[in-house]
Amino acid sequence: DGGITQSPKYLFRKEGQNVTLSCEQNLNHDAMYWYRQDPGQGLRLIYYSQIVNDFQKGDIAEGYSVSREKKESFPLTVTSAQKNPTAFYLCARPASGPPLHFGNGTRLTVT
Amino acid sequence: AQSVAQPEDQVNVAEGNPLTVKCTYSVSGNPYLFWYVQYPNRGLQVLLKYITGDNLVKGSYGFEAEFNKSQTSFHLKKPSALVSDSALYFCALTNAGKSTFGDGTTLTVKP
Repeated sequence: DGGITQSPKYLFRKEGQNVTLSCEQNLNHDAMYWYRQDPGQGLRLIYYSQIVNDFQKGDIAEGYSVSREKKESFPLTVTSAQKNPTAFYLCARPASGPPLHFGNGTRLTVT
Repeated sequence: AQSVAQPEDQVNVAEGNPLTVKCTYSVSGNPYLFWYVQYPNRGLQVLLKYITGDNLVKGSYGFEAEFNKSQTSFHLKKPSALVSDSALYFCALTNAGKSTFGDGTTLTVKP
């Protein structure tokens, strides 16, 4: 898993509820990323953080929020404002430079 | 703006035959190029990378890719496919700290 741990592996929620996905890294990297994966659409960047207490919106940040209070943790909250939350969510960190190392993902299903 | 195109959603080959998964890119400047592999419900793993140097890059599991600057291509190849190579493959580029992924190609190798 490249030093990235995501939990849980599967998550089920009812529409209208906020849900938080966990991402932890144990390799002391400054940068962390959240991607969303949908079938046939590749990976799209939601948020990224280059340093503690700072984060930037990616290409599809609407309906999501993040925090970076600790270097090792970068949780993603999928809010009720996200119109199509069902997806596979991947957290990543860079190696010492590119490429990215990914966690094993969380599959979120909202009904 | 930078982009990555994988023109084939699906590639089917017989075991023992050579395989090619195509990738073209568009970017200003000199990119880092990568191939990632993804197995079901797992994160992406780096298969090989082009940073600089020889245009022919060799990676894991007998895969290789050729960087062609004039054709802006980075096709993934393997001389003899295995059933265990069946997976989802992503081409990606990183430039100025931003990573962009293709939509993915599902490779199926039949016995």
